[in-house]
Amino acid sequence: NAGVMQNPRHLVRRRGQEARLRCSPMKGHSHVYWYRQLPEEGLKFMVYLQKENIIDESGMPKERFSAEFPKEGPSILRIQQVVRGDSAAYFCASSPDREADTQYFGPGTRLTVL
Amino acid sequence: KQEVTQIPAALSVPEGENLVLNCSFTDSAIYNLQWFRQDPGKGLTSLLLIQSSQREQTSGRLNASLDKSSGRSTLYIAASQPGDSATYLCAAPNFGNEKLTFGTGTRLTIIP
Repeated sequence: NAGVMQNPRHLVRRRGQEARLRCSPMKGHSHVYWYRQLPEEGLKFMVYLQKENIIDESGMPKERFSAEFPKEGPSILRIQQVVRGDSAAYFCASSPDREADTQYFGPGTRLTVL
Repeated sequence: KQEVTQIPAALSVPEGENLVLNCSFTDSAIYNLQWFRQDPGKGLTSLLLIQSSQREQTSGRLNASLDKSSGRSTLYIAASQPGDSATYLCAAPNFGNEKLTFGTGTRLTIIP
């Protein structure tokens, strides 16, 4: 059973470009969580999604950030018009259901904005 | 709002020593508490999960304890090895709230 997969592992964008980060949850998992780790800081929750639904987006910046988890395919975290402050490691986690004990984390995508 | 604190931020100990990492949380209504390991530039590896009804969990040389009343958890590492060098993170969700609140981590260095 493959673990949580994220791609790309490293992404470089210039200011003003768009960044798309993909997350494929573990097989059989229908719940996805996105976290952001800024340099020298801890991981901060961004958004929690189930298939075709956003459950909790309380950690998402109000502008430029969006997330989706379609019926088919990976979850996508989209950042429009990136700025240098968006440079961070973005981690995705998945769980089989809402009552699961733990979330399984992917290797992360490291976004660098030039 | 849950806040999780880890002290110290960094720790260096000689190989072979036993050590304790500390984690404090402000809201005791936690569903469980997890300890993770993060290697530089890598993802998170779950080490131990303690349910709110439990006091401790053990895995090999690792032992994690949980005291909800005082808002504290500790991770004990016995007979430390250079391969234990990493950043250790604790995290807790709240009841009815699936999102994890992470501490800022303790960066551990084991000196050969």
